[in-house]
Amino acid sequence: GAVVSQHPSWVICKSGTSVKIECRSLDFQATTMFWYRQFPKQSLMLMATSNEGSKATYEQGVEKDKFLINHASLTLSTLTVTSAHPEDSSFYICSARPVTYSSYEQYFGPGTRLTVT
Amino acid sequence: QKEVEQNSGPLSVPEGAIASLNCTYSDRGSQSFFWYRQYSGKSPELIMFIYSNGDKEDGRFTAQLNKASQYVSLLIRDSQPSDSATYLCAVLKAAGNKLTFGGGTRVLVKP
Repeated sequence: GAVVSQHPSWVICKSGTSVKIECRSLDFQATTMFWYRQFPKQSLMLMATSNEGSKATYEQGVEKDKFLINHASLTLSTLTVTSAHPEDSSFYICSARPVTYSSYEQYFGPGTRLTVT
Repeated sequence: QKEVEQNSGPLSVPEGAIASLNCTYSDRGSQSFFWYRQYSGKSPELIMFIYSNGDKEDGRFTAQLNKASQYVSLLIRDSQPSDSATYLCAVLKAAGNKLTFGGGTRVLVKP
């Protein structure tokens, strides 16, 4: 149980284009999903918290107009990187908290590796 | 002072030995504590969580929580080479619903 998928697992795009990443909870419903970014040999950096049916809450320093988050259902959240630049190249990981969580646990997707050329 | 601190390692342990990882946190009102394992190039995987003082065991893993001293530890018994990974400590603070992660401890289990 508690499986989270991400699509695509890796993507290469050209500078200036937009990329959409999907995060799905496969066997549970999640009112809250989180988006993280991780650079090589660094820890996770929370980008935003997304709640189903409402606007995402972005962490300080994260541009909401550049990283668009939509949480349209209890099993799907999307992150769109708009006008991507090489410095946006990173490992993007989502996580989901089950509706029936017992202690605020959250489960991670496998991640999406974005390379902007 | 970082909110969640871990020794970056690497912590090198021989196969079959006990690996002991520590994590300290600054928010005294923190509620829940999590240990994640992350293999290189992969996303974190939840190992276990704890929210009451004392020990919690799950297979070869034991989490220990001491709220008075503001630390949480993870013991890995009978360490295997497959346990070689980075272990992330995460804390749920008193006010909020998001986890704060430490920088992780890299563990190397040598055959």
